Amino acid sequence: EAAVTQSPRNKVAVTGGKVTLSCNQTNNHNNMYWYRQDTGHGLRLIHYSYGAGSTEKGDIPDGYKASRPSQENFSLILELATPSQTSVYFCATSGTGGGDTQYFGPGTRLLVL
Amino acid sequence: SQWGEENLQALSIQEGEDVTMNCSYKTYTTVVQWYRQKSGKGPALIILIRSNEREKRSGRLRATLDTSSQSSSLSITGTLATDTAVYFCATDPGNTRKLIFGLGTTLQVQP
Repeated sequence: EAAVTQSPRNKVAVTGGKVTLSCNQTNNHNNMYWYRQDTGHGLRLIHYSYGAGSTEKGDIPDGYKASRPSQENFSLILELATPSQTSVYFCATSGTGGGDTQYFGPGTRLLVL
Repeated sequence: SQWGEENLQALSIQEGEDVTMNCSYKTYTTVVQWYRQKSGKGPALIILIRSNEREKRSGRLRATLDTSSQSSSLSITGTLATDTAVYFCATDPGNTRKLIFGLGTTLQVQP
C-alpha cells in the first residue's frame, strides 16, 4: 500500500486560477517536501515542513504557498497559476535524521493554460 | 551550483552490459544517495553510501564515494531492460534534513 499519495494526479488549470495540490503520507515522518521537476533542471525544492504547523521556503518558493495542517497532510497552493508553473510536482517525506532517505509520491502533472 | 557538469548525461546500452554513472559535488556531504526514477513514477532510493564508506554493494549495484575528490559513482552490472530509468545522486550538505539532487543520468537499456 502506497505510503505517499498525491492528488490530483493530473490537473489542467487556467492562468490566474487557484490550484491546490495535496499530499498524504502514512509513514509518520516529520519532514515533508514539495519539488517540481522540469527537463534540464532536475528536482527543485519549493517548500518543506518539519512537522504539523510548520512550513519553510525551499530554493524556488516564489508563486507558491504551502500548508501543513497535520502530520499526514501537506499541500502546495498556487494562488495565481501561471504557464511557467506547468510542471510535474512531487511530494516526499523523510525522518528526522540528517541525510535520511526521502520517500516520494507518484507525482502530479500540472498544465497551466 | 552544487553539481559538476557530468551530472547530466544520457546513456544507451545493450542489455547485459555493465554501466557506470558519475556524480561530482561541490560542497561537503555526510551521505550520497542514489535514486532511480522510472517513467511516470517518483524517484526511489536504490543505494546510500555514507562519508565514512568508500564502497557499498547491493545486488547488481555498486556505489563508490571519494570524499577527497567529492565524487561518487554508481555501477550496474549485467543490466536489464528494466534498469531503464533516470538515475539521480543526492547529497545532504551540512546535515540539513534537505537533499540536493543532481540533474540525473538517463539510462536506456536496449533488450
